Amino acid sequence: DQQVKQNSPSLSVQEGRISILNCDYTNSMFDYFLWYKKYPAEGPTFLISISSIKDKNEDGRFTVFLNKSAKHLSLHIVPSQPGDSAVYFCAAVYNQGGKLIFGQGTELSVKP
Amino acid sequence: DTAVSQTPKYLVTQMGNDKSIKCEQNLGHDTMYWYKQDSKKFLKIMFSYNNKELIINETVPNRFSPKSPDKAHLNLHINSLELGDSAVYFCASARTDLQETQYFGPGTRLLVL
Repeated sequence: DQQVKQNSPSLSVQEGRISILNCDYTNSMFDYFLWYKKYPAEGPTFLISISSIKDKNEDGRFTVFLNKSAKHLSLHIVPSQPGDSAVYFCAAVYNQGGKLIFGQGTELSVKP
Repeated sequence: DTAVSQTPKYLVTQMGNDKSIKCEQNLGHDTMYWYKQDSKKFLKIMFSYNNKELIINETVPNRFSPKSPDKAHLNLHINSLELGDSAVYFCASARTDLQETQYFGPGTRLLVL
């Protein structure tokens, strides 16, 4: 019973265009959401997060949107760069400080 | 000056063997974790320790035993390895007051034959 799902295993985007990665969750108790980025043979690294009291958080080229009614969040990368090619994991937590529940990741490929 | 390191990076072993994976962090964090990434790519938490004390213990077979000799180290010992234990195991650490932002090691790829 996966509470956090990323239904697209892969995404291919042209350099300079927008990348949109999606994530759905089932547990309405989640109150904090995060995106992690993972390169091959490395561990995931924290990218950006959003609290459930917000619907948008922006950090440079990265913006995370949260739609609580739809239990959906998305990560927008604009403009996409080849160095963004990696696996992106979304994660959720309730009672901040509790355990992270990860999705299965989406592999983004940004073509030059 | 790696922040979170794991050894070994690769581990190939026979069913029934006992093996250990070591993890060390030099970030001064109080909380450490073990995750398992299975064949379906989900990252699932197994254990977390805070200041050498077990905090989270998911429904993991008791063949898996974490050991924290000090707050900078969290080792994972696995007894009687089974085929289904084949996975990538990630260690992570975090500040106690910022546990959502976790720093991961590079992973240990375990293959049980």
